[in-house]
Amino acid sequence: AQRVTQPEKLLSVFKGAPVELKCNYSYSGSPELFWYVQYSRQRLQLLLRHISRESIKGFTADLNKGETSFHLKKPFAQEEDSAMYYCALKESYGKLTFGQGTILTVHP
Amino acid sequence: DTEVTQTPKHLVMGMTNKKSLKCEQHMGHRAMYWYKQKAKKPPELMFVYSYEKLSINESVPSRFSPECPNSSLLNLHLHALQPEDSALYLCASSQEWVATNEKLFFGSGTQLSVL
Repeated sequence: AQRVTQPEKLLSVFKGAPVELKCNYSYSGSPELFWYVQYSRQRLQLLLRHISRESIKGFTADLNKGETSFHLKKPFAQEEDSAMYYCALKESYGKLTFGQGTILTVHP
Repeated sequence: DTEVTQTPKHLVMGMTNKKSLKCEQHMGHRAMYWYKQKAKKPPELMFVYSYEKLSINESVPSRFSPECPNSSLLNLHLHALQPEDSALYLCASSQEWVATNEKLFFGSGTQLSVL
């Protein structure tokens, strides 16, 4: 069963517009959720994790257990935000499962 | 040093060849991982080593053989691969394996082509 769903393969916005990348999960235990990002020609890297409740590069993500969602948001997108974004779920025994990914393109 | 280093960056091999992928980290991490990533797909977990012991094998065919000679090194030995095994192979590490909120550090990968 698919644990992590990212419904949008592609998302395009203009610079300065708000952006939301959707992520829904399916997990019976207590989930640990992450957003990983891969910029062009760079390695996959952690963007943020739900437990830390942090804001990185202006992005935030709130875990909504009722809706089983962990959407990534930024109020004003920048061109340098263009990248592949993966939502990931860590299961209790340690396995990290990635969603299918969303390619975000921010147009000037 | 906060990087995971993978060699080689590119590898082309025939179906009868034996080759090895190497991964190294000097961050004192005790968990190391192999992921496989096909084009335009997310990374898929293959193996997890924790304290140099194999902890997870995600039903990977035996033509892939992992090895963790010490806490800094992780190898993936390849033998009799199939063309469908062509992919980007990613190594990752983290402080611990099952600990809460662990961040994975990824290498840049080895792009493998099997002819």
